Amino acid sequence: AQSVTQLDSQVPVFEEAPVELRCNYSSSVSVYLFWYVQYPNQGLQLLLKYLSGSTLVKGINGFEAEFNKSQTSFHLRKPSVHISDTAEYFCAVRGWGSARQLTFGSGTQLTVLP
Amino acid sequence: DTGVSQDPRHKITKRGQNVTFRCDPISEHNRLYWYRQTLGQGPEFLTYFQNEAQLEKSRLLSDRFSAERPKGSFSTLEIQRTEQGDSAMYLCASSLSGGDQETQYFGPGTRLLVL
Repeated sequence: AQSVTQLDSQVPVFEEAPVELRCNYSSSVSVYLFWYVQYPNQGLQLLLKYLSGSTLVKGINGFEAEFNKSQTSFHLRKPSVHISDTAEYFCAVRGWGSARQLTFGSGTQLTVLP
Repeated sequence: DTGVSQDPRHKITKRGQNVTFRCDPISEHNRLYWYRQTLGQGPEFLTYFQNEAQLEKSRLLSDRFSAERPKGSFSTLEIQRTEQGDSAMYLCASSLSGGDQETQYFGPGTRLLVL
């Protein structure tokens, strides 16, 4: 089984400032890792994913994340945020093997202030 | 291809009534998933299908919940005798087995309010 911890439930940041949203996971098997974004009253949109290979992955809207196996982390970063980045961000994990479902963290509300 | 679609987007019902939600996956995707998301939480897995076969169900899926995917295309999720605790967003996702490491793509969700 897997679990995901998103360490910050709310992150306020000023426009054009950098931001990091933290995600740690626990798993007894190797994993695939994902970040999704959810705007109010909408479904989840895939931001980026780590499947294998390079530990630095780039996604949409200027976001990137780095997989750190030793620290079991997959933190999301953006060098300069915009008002439109205000949303809920979810980290998710799926273990290799037969289990197909995603296990999500509880989310981080990113609020970009003018 | 317009992505995963769900219908209705919102549903308000009275306690004790039955409700049914529909999900249409991305056309070539053979795997379909249902998740439930309550306020302030991440989505929680309910069940998933490969083609028409329901392969896994979560302990969250009580006897009042039933899901079908009769022809391996769209899926329905029915909740019988709704309770106020069923109020949540119900999300559907689809993926292609063996493709793109089975990345799941989500629909817009159905928000259920049980009065």
